[in-house]
Amino acid sequence: EIVLTQSPATLSLSPGERATLSCRASQSVSSYLAWYQQKPGQAPRLLIYDASNRATGIPARFSGSGSGTDFTLTISSLEPEDFAVYYCQQRSNWPGTFGQGTKLEIK
Amino acid sequence: EVQLVESGGGLVKPGGSLRLSCAASGFTFSSYSMNWVRQAPGKGLEWVSSISSSSSYIYYADSVKGRFTISRDNAKNSLYLQMNSLRAEDTAVYYCAGGNTVFDYWGQGTLVTVSS
Repeated sequence: EIVLTQSPATLSLSPGERATLSCRASQSVSSYLAWYQQKPGQAPRLLIYDASNRATGIPARFSGSGSGTDFTLTISSLEPEDFAVYYCQQRSNWPGTFGQGTKLEIK
Repeated sequence: EVQLVESGGGLVKPGGSLRLSCAASGFTFSSYSMNWVRQAPGKGLEWVSSISSSSSYIYYADSVKGRFTISRDNAKNSLYLQMNSLRAEDTAVYYCAGGNTVFDYWGQGTLVTVSS
């Protein structure tokens, strides 16, 4: 089973700042990595698929990069609604494991 | 508008059974793989099970294999999860999620609580 490790566990930033979230895989997942956003009491929402492709309706301030084992989700300028928990997920091998999440909180 | 609506959650005793349902609308259900993902209180996301569009391929997490059964009815645009031999560690919000490669669509979830 592929293990995804996200860092940091918690990231404290202010609106307008740049956020950089990391996801590292225990073995190569090629570009088969997705990012999801989850707000309290809500279902997750797909942000990025195949490492760098924004899902429908996702603002351009969200971008993804990486391949192999190291991936990054970048939010270029934080909006108040961006403070949430972010999960990465790989679909290279079954099961499609998730990372443990990074909580992005307001500083 | 895409909608996935889960139902069937509730309180059940250890060793008991529940059947979750997910009603889909707003997309071509029969063309999509469907999935169950769960989230224990205060914890992260855990993939539970997946079923291909025609039910030809079915997968389970090791944690539920032999106890849970996923199925679908494309004529009714519905997904199901039969959960038997429930344990306290199965307590979670269960989401149905649609997507062939990633989880494009999500329901709002249904809470399953396993407790005596």
